[in-house]
Amino acid sequence: SAVISQKPSRDICQRGTSLTIQCQVDSQVTMMFWYRQQPGQSLTLIATANQGSEATYESGFVIDKFPISRPNLTFSTLTVSNMSPEDSSIYLCSVEVPGRNQPQHFGDGTRLSIL
Amino acid sequence: GENVEQHPSTLSVQEGDSAVIKCTYSDSASNYFPWYKQELGKRPQLIIDIRSNVGEKKDQRIAVTLNKTAKHFSLHITETQPEDSAVYFCAARYLSAGNMLTFGGGTRLMVKP
Repeated sequence: SAVISQKPSRDICQRGTSLTIQCQVDSQVTMMFWYRQQPGQSLTLIATANQGSEATYESGFVIDKFPISRPNLTFSTLTVSNMSPEDSSIYLCSVEVPGRNQPQHFGDGTRLSIL
Repeated sequence: GENVEQHPSTLSVQEGDSAVIKCTYSDSASNYFPWYKQELGKRPQLIIDIRSNVGEKKDQRIAVTLNKTAKHFSLHITETQPEDSAVYFCAARYLSAGNMLTFGGGTRLMVKP
């Protein structure tokens, strides 16, 4: 499976600021995703990061709040903009690796706390 | 879209006992069902998956069963150990470009020594 490096691993931010999370994969992958996991909850897909085009956002998530970049097949960033305490969560990068079942694997996540 | 329900939300077993976690899905087109284990503070880790053309799959102490007709699938862990304590997530999708995984709500498994 792919090695997925995500940084920062955690951060404490002030209300109203923005933070960019990076996700680096050790091999080229077609599909990269960004998830949010609120405390004690399941995984919620924010968007699919498309290489060379705009990300595809799920219902309830918008580009202005969560801009995403995908400059190549091994790297993506998620920015959490104008943060509020409700954005305190774990943000996870995920990739779909080639294979019969196209399994999906996750990075270690970024634990974000907003004061 | 797909909806995945997972039960129970918490499960406590004695070490050595078996644990069963059940999921139901709504979209009969779904044909891929992975299970993830997430230890506290760690990433979700894929532990086993099954395609809809298979009824059961085993990997050492874990097994997954699938009933396509009833649209439910289950994770079975035998001879549980304290290190099995974690949150387990089921998921479902239709294996086609553009179709994403839909996750269940998770089950917190506690194995008491």
